[in-house]
Formats: sequence, structure tokens, C-alpha cells
Amino acid sequence: SQKIEQNSEALNIQEGKTATLTCNYTNYSPAYLQWYRQDPGRGPVFLLLIRENEKEKRKERLKVTFDTTLKQSLFHITASQPADSATYLCAPFWTGGYQKVTFGTGTKLQVIP
Amino acid sequence: DAGVTQSPTHLIKTRGQQVTLRCSPKSGHDTVSWYQQALGQGPQFIFQYYEEEERQRGNFPDRFSGHQFPNYSSELNVNALLLGDSALYLCASSHDIGTGELFFGEGSRLTVL
Repeated sequence: SQKIEQNSEALNIQEGKTATLTCNYTNYSPAYLQWYRQDPGRGPVFLLLIRENEKEKRKERLKVTFDTTLKQSLFHITASQPADSATYLCAPFWTGGYQKVTFGTGTKLQVIP
Repeated sequence: DAGVTQSPTHLIKTRGQQVTLRCSPKSGHDTVSWYQQALGQGPQFIFQYYEEEERQRGNFPDRFSGHQFPNYSSELNVNALLLGDSALYLCASSHDIGTGELFFGEGSRLTVL
């Protein structure tokens, strides 16, 4: 079965720095890979999607890369702010019979003022 | 445009009881997925409903069942509650044909005593 691995340890960074979160998966490459943000006690919120044939995707201060050779996605937040503090979930989407979104355990990001 | 709404937001049950959670999807969405999220974990896929039928199911026992109505709203039922069923139950809606982007409700927090 597919496995998704995110760094379970919290990531603490200084305000203004770039935060980089890692997502690794096993077996088949997903058709898409999504990233979600989740605040405590709230439902996840969709942030970005990158397709299998895309190397990089940007949205404002967010950047996602997708390396199918390494079976890895990196999620970057540049010029981080305390308001970026949250848990970030990686969610690969496999098609062809696996029409469901599967989530990693998430990485908790703390941006220190 | 209302997003995904879930009810109730919080509830407390005792072991052995039964619970029903409700979800109204985002307008225009036809697919509803349910997730269980234990504290400190990522959302775990329970099942997905499309056209009033369960289309995909995760690794959950038969005590977990659901239903989708003609208006696309959905219910999650859990019978014979166990302490381990205590979690945040998330409903997510999406288009059947698409990239799998999910819109989540705020969840129902179930505590089993």
C-alpha cells in the first residue's frame, strides 16, 4: 500500500526566514500532490496542487516542488510570518482506481517572532 | 456560497452507544468523503460517497457506515462506540471529476467516555 511520510517533529523557524517542509511517498507516483494547511481544531484548507508533469508551482509566498525520481515534494514558505504557524499536510492523489485523497501525518510549523 | 457544513460540532457519548454525524457539501459538489483524525495524526480516510453509493472505503470496521442523500448531503454512523473512536470527524466535498481538491468542514469532535 502507499505510504506518505512527513517529518513528524515540529519545525521552528525565525520570522522572515524560509520554511521548507518535506513529503516523501512510496511506490507509484501520484497524478497530483496537494498541500493543505490545518489550524488546531479546524478542518484542513487547500493551498496548492502540483501535477505529476510539473516541477514547480508558486502561489504568492508559497512554492511547491515535485520530484518523481526522488518520490518527494518540498513545500516552501518564504518570508515566513507568525500567522503561518499551523500544521501542513501533504496529500498525494492517485488516480486509476484510487479515487481518494490520502494524507500524511503533517508537520507542525511554528514561526517565532 | 456556503461551504461544507457539519453537525454537531461537539458531542459526548459513552461506550456502546451509537452516533450519527451530518454533512452538507459545498454547493455544486457531488462527492463526499469522511475522515477520522485522532489527536496529532493526519486525517484517515473512512469512505467516500458518490451518487448515493459508497465508492471507496478505508481500513475501518463495519461499525462505521454512511449514507448519501439525493441532495448530496451525507451521514456517518458509528455503532458500538469504543474509547478509540474519540476523534475529530471531518467531512470533505469535491467534484467527482477533478484533481481531488477537497473542501473540508470544521469537523465534529466526538468524545467517547
